[in-house]
Amino acid sequence: NAGVMQNPRHLVRRRGQEARLRCSPMKGHSHVYWYRQLPEEGLKFMVYLQKENIIDESGMPKERFSAEFPKEGPSILRIQQVVRGDSAAYFCASSPDWGGSNEQYFGPGTRLTVT
Amino acid sequence: GENVEQHPSTLSVQEGDSAVIKCTYSDSASNYFPWYKQELGKRPQLIIDIRSNVGEKKDQRIAVTLNKTAKHFSLHITETQPEDSAVYFCAPWAGNMLTFGGGTRLMVKP
Repeated sequence: NAGVMQNPRHLVRRRGQEARLRCSPMKGHSHVYWYRQLPEEGLKFMVYLQKENIIDESGMPKERFSAEFPKEGPSILRIQQVVRGDSAAYFCASSPDWGGSNEQYFGPGTRLTVT
Repeated sequence: GENVEQHPSTLSVQEGDSAVIKCTYSDSASNYFPWYKQELGKRPQLIIDIRSNVGEKKDQRIAVTLNKTAKHFSLHITETQPEDSAVYFCAPWAGNMLTFGGGTRLMVKP
């Protein structure tokens, strides 16, 4: 059973470009969470999705950031018009389908560098 | 929202000694209390967790204790080894998310 997959592992974008980060949850998991980690800090919750639904986006910046988890394919975190402050490690995590489980397993992360 | 604090922020121990990291939280609705270990440049790894109906849980050299009344839980590592060196995060669950503490950098000196 493959773990949580993320790609790309490293992404370099110039200011003003768009960044697309992908996350494939573990098999049997339909809950996906995105977190952002700045250097020397803890992870900060961004958004929680289930298939085709955004459940909680209370941690998402109001502008430029969006997330989706379509019926088929990976979850995608999209950052439009990136700025230097978006440089960070972005981790996704997934949790099992059965009700009541909040164990989260993390992917390897995407390290975004904005130049 | 949940406020989470970890202490200490850095901890240096001699190999073979014990290490204890404490996490305090604010949301009384929190019902799941995991600890994650993160090595440099790697993903956070779940090392142990406890649910609110249990006071203590042990897995070999690591243990977690929970005091719901006081709203804190602690990670205990015994017989520390150099490979235990990493940053450790508590991340109590409330609502729809884990809220991570600021992390504790543990250094185990051989």
